[in-house]
Amino acid sequence: EPEVTQTPSHQVTQMGQEVILRCVPISNHLYFYWYRQILGQKVEFLVSFYNNEISEKSEIFDDQFSVERPDGSNFTLKIRSTKLEDSAMYFCASSRGGNTEAFFGQGTRLTVV
Amino acid sequence: GQQVMQIPQYQHVQEGEDFTTYCNSSTTLSNIQWYKQRPGGHPVFLIQLVKSGEVKKQKRLTFQFGEAKKNSSLHITATQTTDVGTYFCAAVDTGTASKLTFGTGTRLQVTL
Repeated sequence: EPEVTQTPSHQVTQMGQEVILRCVPISNHLYFYWYRQILGQKVEFLVSFYNNEISEKSEIFDDQFSVERPDGSNFTLKIRSTKLEDSAMYFCASSRGGNTEAFFGQGTRLTVV
Repeated sequence: GQQVMQIPQYQHVQEGEDFTTYCNSSTTLSNIQWYKQRPGGHPVFLIQLVKSGEVKKQKRLTFQFGEAKKNSSLHITATQTTDVGTYFCAAVDTGTASKLTFGTGTRLQVTL
């Protein structure tokens, strides 16, 4: 069964450093998303991407965040200057259509120290 | 912005007991989806409800969408230890992004 894959599974970074989280969505999907989940809390929407551009972003997704789909298969989330409060599990998701089920990757646990 | 609340926050049941989680939205929903997240895992899609008053069943799981499309529920009959996890409802934004606004989640613990 096709799945969304994310790398790395765990990243530890120093405050102020840049990190890039990588995702390979399911190949025939058109919508791509990043969500994050702080330990023990709900899943929060960060950004959606469709037709090679950002469709919507949340208040969390400030100027420190950016997304790219550099080569038609990868989908990346960059955090330019990490803060302690960026520590969370980051999930990539994709869906075939705009109103269909979302498939989530296994997540990247980001720890900022 | 849209708020989606779930109760209870946590429930501990003995295997074989029933379990229900309730989801309430501050606004009328177009669609609602339900996801299950096992401990240490990622959200996995369970079902989508679209119509007012809709009821769908998956084996021991029964999902309902309220008549006013502002609430939903998930009922599990005769829980098993494999049901352990957190159950999230998620409001579907049917605008361009179709983002999901997740509920606060209900963590289910099942013991023998």
